Amino acid sequence: GQQLNQSPQSMFIQEGEDVSMNCTSSSIFNTWLWYKQDPGEGPVLLIALYKAGELTSNGRLTAQFGITRKDSFLNISASIPSDVGIYFCAGLGGSQGNLIFGKGTKLSVKP
Amino acid sequence: SAVISQKPSRDICQRGTSLTIQCQVDSQVTMMFWYRQQPGQSLTLIATANQGSEATYESGFVIDKFPISRPNLTFSTLTVSNMSPEDSSIYLCSVARGVTEAFFGQGTRLTVV
Repeated sequence: GQQLNQSPQSMFIQEGEDVSMNCTSSSIFNTWLWYKQDPGEGPVLLIALYKAGELTSNGRLTAQFGITRKDSFLNISASIPSDVGIYFCAGLGGSQGNLIFGKGTKLSVKP
Repeated sequence: SAVISQKPSRDICQRGTSLTIQCQVDSQVTMMFWYRQQPGQSLTLIATANQGSEATYESGFVIDKFPISRPNLTFSTLTVSNMSPEDSSIYLCSVARGVTEAFFGQGTRLTVV
């Protein structure tokens, strides 16, 4: 079946540092989504990518969809303590709207 | 984005009992989904809730264990039946806007003792 490989699994960074995480897939996805999940909450959509090669920003977040539609990265610039959480990549490949998730990147930020 | 309300937000249940989780959306949506997130894990799709017909289950999930209702385009329920401690997870309702975006409820944290 379709799988997304997300790395790194966890990151411990200092406040103010930039962060980068990525996802790769063996399958092509039509849409790539990045989510953040805080403890006790459902995932919140951060960025959606639709076109191969697309680079999209949302505040301090920047994400790019790979040319082959099989990979994506998410960058967070100038991290702050509220960036702490688990970040998931998810591929939307079928016609039904269901998602395939990566295993997540747990981000910890030291003040 | 869609506003999705899930109830209950958490529950502690005895093994052998069943729990029904409700998902209410503030607008009509074609696609509604139920996911499970086991402790420390990613999200796994349980089933697609189809309005007016039986839910479509993913491999490893069966209707007898996770019966789903979808009476209209804004509401769905997921029941976790005959619970065991292995069912302790977060259960999440999701809706899709076409094939471009998907949104989640806040989840139901289930603990089975």
